[in-house]
Amino acid sequence: KAGVTQTPRYLIKTRGQQVTLSCSPISGHRSVSWYQQTPGQGLQFLFEYFSETQRNKGNFPGRFSGRQFSNSRSEMNVSTLELGDSALYLCASSFGKFQGRTDTQYFGPGTRLTVL
Amino acid sequence: KNQVEQSPQSLIILEGKNCTLQCNYTVSPFSNLRWYKQDTGRGPVSLTIMTFSENTKSNGRYTATLDADTKQSSLHITASQLSDSASYICVVCWGSNYQLIWGAGTKLIIKP
Repeated sequence: KAGVTQTPRYLIKTRGQQVTLSCSPISGHRSVSWYQQTPGQGLQFLFEYFSETQRNKGNFPGRFSGRQFSNSRSEMNVSTLELGDSALYLCASSFGKFQGRTDTQYFGPGTRLTVL
Repeated sequence: KNQVEQSPQSLIILEGKNCTLQCNYTVSPFSNLRWYKQDTGRGPVSLTIMTFSENTKSNGRYTATLDADTKQSSLHITASQLSDSASYICVVCWGSNYQLIWGAGTKLIIKP
């Protein structure tokens, strides 16, 4: 069974640009969540989707957005990139409606975004 | 304020030794507590998930304990191996929307 895949793995952008990251969950999983991890920091929750609906949202500015498609694949978009957006962006999938309830989260390898 | 605090921030031990990592939380209402292992540059991997009624849960050489009264959890690693070098993160689930709060992690280094 294939794991969670994220594309691209590495990305370099300049300030002011926008970026779209993609996440394909494990087959059969309908919940996808996104996290930002900066060096030395814990994971910061961005948003969580189930069946194309956003279930939870973290405390990030409106420049960060996401969506989920009918095949459970998810994308997140960051507009008007800032230097502080440089981070590892992780995607996690699970089967149930809320990843936090009892389901095990399975993480992808992440997308390393560098903003110059 | 809902918080998850882990200690120590970092820990260095010799291969073969045991160690215990701590996690204190102040969330309400509590749903469950998880421990993850994260290797450098990779996504976290789930070690255990414990609900309110579970006091102890093991996964190989990893044993997690939970005291819901004192809001404390620990992760005990037995007979450490070099591959145990990683960050260990405590995560607490709370609320009606089952939100997760992630601790900052304990960076564990195993030396030969």
